[in-house]
Amino acid sequence: KAGVTQTPRYLIKTRGQQVTLSCSPISGHRSVSWYQQTPGQGLQFLFEYFSETQRNKGNFPGRFSGRQFSNSRSEMNVSTLELGDSALYLCASSPSPGTDTQYFGPGTRLTVL
Amino acid sequence: GENVEQHPSTLSVQEGDSAVIKCTYSDSASNYFPWYKQELGKGPQLIIDIRSNVGEKKDQRIAVTLNKTAKHFSLHITETQPEDSAVYFCAASSNTDKLIFGTGTRLQVFP
Repeated sequence: KAGVTQTPRYLIKTRGQQVTLSCSPISGHRSVSWYQQTPGQGLQFLFEYFSETQRNKGNFPGRFSGRQFSNSRSEMNVSTLELGDSALYLCASSPSPGTDTQYFGPGTRLTVL
Repeated sequence: GENVEQHPSTLSVQEGDSAVIKCTYSDSASNYFPWYKQELGKGPQLIIDIRSNVGEKKDQRIAVTLNKTAKHFSLHITETQPEDSAVYFCAASSNTDKLIFGTGTRLQVFP
């Protein structure tokens, strides 16, 4: 069974731009969560989606948004990029929310110049 | 708020020795505790997890113990090998997919 896939793997943007990252969960998994990883703040929860609905949201500004499609694939969007948004963005999937193990993808490395 | 503390931040051991990483959580509602291993350039990989109705779980050279009263859990790696070198993260959650992660432990195993 294929693992979680994330595209693109690397991205370079400039301040003020916006970016969209994509995540395809493991086949059969319906819950997708997003995390931001930085050297200073570590791994921080962004949001969680199940059945195209956001179930949970972390403490991030409204510039960070996401959505989930009917095939469980998910996208996250960051608008008006800031230098501090440079990070590894990780997607994790599980069969259903709350009680199942989460499996992570390789991440998208975003660099904001 | 929810918080997970992890110690030590770095750990160096000789090949064949044991390594122990400890975490403490603050949310008494936490009931799921996974451990992840992250190698350079890769996403976190689940290595073992434990739920609050179990005190200990073992998988070959890896074991996790949970003390609910003290709100801490530990990862034990025996007979360490150079390929165990990585950053290890503990995490906690309570009936949601929102994992609260520790700050990570960089483990170095010297041949």
